[in-house]
Amino acid sequence: DAKTTQPPSMDCAEGRAANLPCNHSTISGNEYVYWYRQIHSQGPQYIIHGLKNNETNEMASLIITEDRKSSTLILPHATLRDTAVYYCIVRAVDRGSTLGRLYFGRGTQLTVWP
Amino acid sequence: SAVISQKPSRDICQRGTSLTIQCQVDSQVTMMFWYRQQPGQSLTLIATANQGSEATYESGFVIDKFPISRPNLTFSTLTVSNMSPEDSSIYLCSVRQVNTGELFFGEGSRLTVL
Repeated sequence: DAKTTQPPSMDCAEGRAANLPCNHSTISGNEYVYWYRQIHSQGPQYIIHGLKNNETNEMASLIITEDRKSSTLILPHATLRDTAVYYCIVRAVDRGSTLGRLYFGRGTQLTVWP
Repeated sequence: SAVISQKPSRDICQRGTSLTIQCQVDSQVTMMFWYRQQPGQSLTLIATANQGSEATYESGFVIDKFPISRPNLTFSTLTVSNMSPEDSSIYLCSVRQVNTGELFFGEGSRLTVL
């Protein structure tokens, strides 16, 4: 049960910001929002995660709505190498148990064009 | 981040045979997971590999078909038994790092069953 909804595909011009939406209306209070991406023929790569505050790192920014029912991943200056499938995942974080496992939805295929 | 090595990276197998995939991590991790990604599909969690005890399987996956071992904190194997063409997939190992709690993925083992 992926618990998230994402558009199947999006495209973006190189150098522009890519904004990838995700709906997670049934998210629980102890669940974080995680983003991974999978470039063709590679294993998924961690991008960013957050609970309720907006987060930023060297790869992307994560904007979570106040009610936590949706979020947006922002790639500020998309490049051709950002073409990938982007997965939004909600995950309970528990240091000891199998609650930390990830369930993937179908993700969004982002295509960055020159 | 943890460095994860999977062997083999790819293989072509005959129907009815079995193949064992190895996952080696360069540091001790708390959790190890095995995923399957069928052609054109998202990732599906097969099981959690528990150190020193039987793996915990997700619905739809059974030990007789996918026996898993985890003899220590840095190594696990997944066997795909009595293979059929429907088992043609990428099999990915994922680990949960001790210090950060984050999940990282190997590059996967691409299996083709003829």
